[in-house]
Amino acid sequence: DVKVTQSSRYLVKRTGEKVFLECVQDMDHENMFWYRQDPGLGLRLIYFSYDVKMKEKGDIPEGYSVSREKKERFSLILESASTNQTSMYLCASSKGVRQGGNQPQHFGDGTRLSIL
Amino acid sequence: GESVGLHLPTLSVQEGDNSIINCAYSNSASDYFIWYKQESGKGPQFIIDIRSNMDKRQGQRVTVLLNKTVKHLSLQIAATQPGDSAVYFCAENRGGSGGYQKVTFGTGTKLQVIP
Repeated sequence: DVKVTQSSRYLVKRTGEKVFLECVQDMDHENMFWYRQDPGLGLRLIYFSYDVKMKEKGDIPEGYSVSREKKERFSLILESASTNQTSMYLCASSKGVRQGGNQPQHFGDGTRLSIL
Repeated sequence: GESVGLHLPTLSVQEGDNSIINCAYSNSASDYFIWYKQESGKGPQFIIDIRSNMDKRQGQRVTVLLNKTVKHLSLQIAATQPGDSAVYFCAENRGGSGGYQKVTFGTGTKLQVIP
């Protein structure tokens, strides 16, 4: 089974702090994704990566950055946390186009981040 | 988590009955569709998928139907059990710029199973 592991289940930070959310997958997937999930808004894509050191903006990248130095690890960075970034953050991975594409994404269990 | 279920349409089903959850997708170019289940406090979990060259696919107790004419997807759960209580949402995939798959998720339906 694919395992996507997010480093923290719950995190509380203060406004203005730099926040790192970490995600690791163990299935050699090329694609990795960061979403936020808010009531009534569903899953919204922040950033994704299709290869090491590559990244693409999703639908709501403002206020976030990402890092993919190794294939199995994808980090989400909140440069200067604000209260409107309080949310559930979900990481996912999937096979890439070179791995056959059109495969489901596998999700971690999420990090519930509160910015005070 | 629990807040995922807020503001969502809710389907209440008696234990043992069949459930049908519907999803309208937006893009006629979408060629791959997935249903996910999200239990309270967990991430979305893959249930079943279907490609656009099919109109029906069956799994264990679940069936997905695809109607491309009206851009409609449905998930049927047979003999619904209390463990099926969760939020269910569909996802549509289509080719994005640069050859990457563009995935759009629906907002979800909350399934409540009445014992």
